[in-house]
Amino acid sequence: SQQGEEDPQALSIQEGENATMNCSYKTSINNLQWYRQNSGRGLVHLILIRSNEREKHSGRLRVTLDTSKKSSSLLITASRAADTASYFCASGGGADGLTFGKGTHLIIQP
Amino acid sequence: DVKVTQSSRYLVKRTGEKVFLECVQDMDHENMFWYRQDPGLGLRLIYFSYDVKMKEKGDIPEGYSVSREKKERFSLILESASTNQTSMYLCASTKLAGLHNEQFFGPGTRLTVL
Repeated sequence: SQQGEEDPQALSIQEGENATMNCSYKTSINNLQWYRQNSGRGLVHLILIRSNEREKHSGRLRVTLDTSKKSSSLLITASRAADTASYFCASGGGADGLTFGKGTHLIIQP
Repeated sequence: DVKVTQSSRYLVKRTGEKVFLECVQDMDHENMFWYRQDPGLGLRLIYFSYDVKMKEKGDIPEGYSVSREKKERFSLILESASTNQTSMYLCASTKLAGLHNEQFFGPGTRLTVL
């Protein structure tokens, strides 16, 4: 079963605006990861936040984690056309693989 | 630069054929995984392996088998392909079974079974 559920399923914004995607999960986690997938390609790891962290930054990415609400958010600031992709949250990452949400499809309009 | 490669980007097979999907990683990773990705269902884990000749079933192993004869290579086998196995197949690898390891993905193989 899917551990994470992203929200919204699809998001369309203007270039330069900020994009926020949310992820909710059901069971306790050691960490939560975000991945990006460009159309028809493999996934690329973006950022990992551990269960004892509340916020993490990487370039234009900001991830928050609220373990009490079992939720995480990914913020992309100053969006660019190249950010158009699907974004997935995932938990696990040990020897038995990751459990992925269904993804948010982000479209950046020029 | 880390790399996970998959033998084909696109593959078309007929129902009943035996299909081999190959995955190779050059990072000396212990753990390797096969996922399939379908619209509306996200990624689902088929099989994984944490060492040579070791394999474990994931969430949807039915109709699939795997082979890990060498550390760098993990093969997914469809013994008798069926149309419901038309999907995008993604291979991934990661270092030892740590709690905080990212997975590295290959570019995917889009398989169509006619």
